[in-house]
Amino acid sequence: GEDVEQSLFLSVREGDSSVINCTYTDSSSTYLYWYKQEPGAGLQLLTYIFSNMDMKQDQRLTVLLNKKDKHLSLRIADTQTGDSAIYFCAETYAGNMLTFGGGTRLMVKP
Amino acid sequence: DAGVIQSPRHEVTEMGQEVTLRCKPISGHDYLFWYRQTMMRGLELLIYFNNNVPIDDSGMPEDRFSAKMPNASFSTLKIQPSEPRDSAVYFCASSLVGQRDGYTFGSGTRLTVV
Repeated sequence: GEDVEQSLFLSVREGDSSVINCTYTDSSSTYLYWYKQEPGAGLQLLTYIFSNMDMKQDQRLTVLLNKKDKHLSLRIADTQTGDSAIYFCAETYAGNMLTFGGGTRLMVKP
Repeated sequence: DAGVIQSPRHEVTEMGQEVTLRCKPISGHDYLFWYRQTMMRGLELLIYFNNNVPIDDSGMPEDRFSAKMPNASFSTLKIQPSEPRDSAVYFCASSLVGQRDGYTFGSGTRLTVV
């Protein structure tokens, strides 16, 4: 797998939008993923996007994919305190193997 | 399915003792992964299995760490002897080749070595 990079920390106010960014390196990735890790829990799949798409929307979540720049972002609309967590992006390689980024800790202030 | 089941949830042990972490993957999944998570190093892949066979153990930090998968429904990660720097959260995950859902993670085992 290749390196996947994310910023370490993001702080937003409740009700604002959050945008978490990720850069990846494997241009042959078929799927790209976002996982959420709440305190004391494992990583849970939040959403994924197929590499031939450039956008996917799922309720408050919008995933944008820029294949040319190998950039993936996750936008959370109307961010709530329950969205406070660590968010990991991941790229696929060698079929179904995943490489995870270092995670972005999202803090939502009331 | 109950998901990936890990036990115990918490383990506190003394330095030098043997520690065994357990994992039951999702039935039918053919890949199993062991990860370690710390504040300093983030999420590290230790070893993974395909159809019960270890494929890549290059992430295992030392010979003190060993992992087995005797059958499709059970895997263990053993640390012998344990050291304080092994303190971390250990996750097991499983997946099915060709499935687009990625990996399914267990809730983790928080290991504290004192």
